[in-house]
Amino acid sequence: GDSVTQMEGPVTLSEEAFLTINCTYTATGYPSLFWYVQYPGEGLQLLLKATKADDKGSNKGFEATYRKETTSFHLEKGSVQVSDSAVYFCALSDQNTGGFKTIFGAGTRLFVKA
Amino acid sequence: DTAVSQTPKYLVTQMGNDKSIKCEQNLGHDTMYWYKQDSKKFLKIMFSYNNKELIINETVPNRFSPKSPDKAHLNLHINSLELGDSAVYFCASSQLRAGGYYNEQFFGPGTRLTVL
Repeated sequence: GDSVTQMEGPVTLSEEAFLTINCTYTATGYPSLFWYVQYPGEGLQLLLKATKADDKGSNKGFEATYRKETTSFHLEKGSVQVSDSAVYFCALSDQNTGGFKTIFGAGTRLFVKA
Repeated sequence: DTAVSQTPKYLVTQMGNDKSIKCEQNLGHDTMYWYKQDSKKFLKIMFSYNNKELIINETVPNRFSPKSPDKAHLNLHINSLELGDSAVYFCASSQLRAGGYYNEQFFGPGTRLTVL
């Protein structure tokens, strides 16, 4: 079945450091890929998305490129801020499941120190 | 206006009790979900309704019963609560795009359930 694997956390960085959170997936079809972010005490919210191979999603300085050849969707940010501290979830939605089911990774907690 | 709202935000109860969590979305979406998030932040889908019809029912104990009175509401009733039910429960909604596979979800703020 479909699955999403992302790097275990927590990830601890100093402010202005470069961030990479790795995400790989397995899917039988052509999934859409997402990164969601969960700030403390809140629900998840969509950070960025990509719906086909080679698409780059971007938002708030975060980027991720849909790489079909490596089945990856790594999240990057050039300079993190304390306010980026949160849990990040990689996810996919596969048309083979009718698009109704989104598979989430286990989440990666990011701490950014001032 | 809050897009996806849940009540209550916190729920503390004794083992064996029955409780309900309510969810409402004002986005006009046709699909709604319940997720359970454990203490390690792992997110597991429980149920999904599309146009009031149950379409996803994961391996959830039958003590959990969802009800969707209309497209904008999806409630979760839990009977005979157990210690292991303690978690944060999230409601979410989405609107399928053309082709069916694009499925951005909008989450509520969560209900923290503590069973004593």
